[in-house]
Amino acid sequence: GNSVTQMEGPVTLSEEAFLTINCTYTATGYPSLFWYVQYPGEGLQLLLKATKADDKGSNKGFEATYRKETTSFHLEKGSVQVSDSAVYFCALNPRAQKLVFGQGTRLTINP
Amino acid sequence: EAGVAQSPRYKIIEKRQSVAFWCNPISGHATLYWYQQILGQGPKLLIQFQNNGVVDDSQLPKDRFSAERLKGVDSTLKIQPAKLEDSAVYLCASSLGSPATNEKLFFGSGTQLSVL
Repeated sequence: GNSVTQMEGPVTLSEEAFLTINCTYTATGYPSLFWYVQYPGEGLQLLLKATKADDKGSNKGFEATYRKETTSFHLEKGSVQVSDSAVYFCALNPRAQKLVFGQGTRLTINP
Repeated sequence: EAGVAQSPRYKIIEKRQSVAFWCNPISGHATLYWYQQILGQGPKLLIQFQNNGVVDDSQLPKDRFSAERLKGVDSTLKIQPAKLEDSAVYLCASSLGSPATNEKLFFGSGTQLSVL
C-alpha cells in the first residue's frame, strides 16, 4: 500500500539552526511528493512539492529533493526562524489517487 | 480571495449524540475533501467529491458518518451517533481539479470535535 513515515517529533531548535525533517515513503508507481505546513490556529497549506525523481521543491527557504533510490523526501532549511514554528506534514499522491499524509512533525524554534 | 470556510470552530457533544459540520470551498473549486485528523496523526481522507458526485468514500464509516454536496458547492458532514473515538479535527479542503492533476489543496481551519 501507500504510506508515509516522518521522523518523530517534537523537534526543538534554536533560531538560525539547520533543520532536517526526515520523510520516507512506500508507494506503487511514481507518486508526487509534498510538504504541507500547519501554523498555529490555521489550516494546512502547501509548502512545496516535487512530481518526479530528482526534482527539488523549494519555497520560503525550505527545500526537499525527490530521491527515488532511497524513497525519501527530506525537508531542509539552512537557517530557521521563530516564525517557522509549526507542524510539518509529508504527503504523497499516487497517480489519480488520494493524498496520503504522514503523522506530522511538530517544530518549535526558540529565539 | 476567500479561503475555505468551516463551521463551527469547536464542538463538544456527548457520545451517542449527533453533530454536523459545514464547509464552503473556494469559489469555482470542483473537488471537495473531508479529512479526519486524530491527535498525533496525519489527516485521513473520509470522502472526496467531484462537483456533487462522490469520487472516494472508501474510508468513511458509513454506519454513522454521512456527507453531502447537493449543489456541488458547500458540503455537510454528519456523525450520528457519535462515539468517543470520533474525537478529532475535521478538515475540509478544496481544489480546482483532481488529485490526478496534482492540484494544490486549500484547507480550512477545521472543526475540533470532542466527544465526552
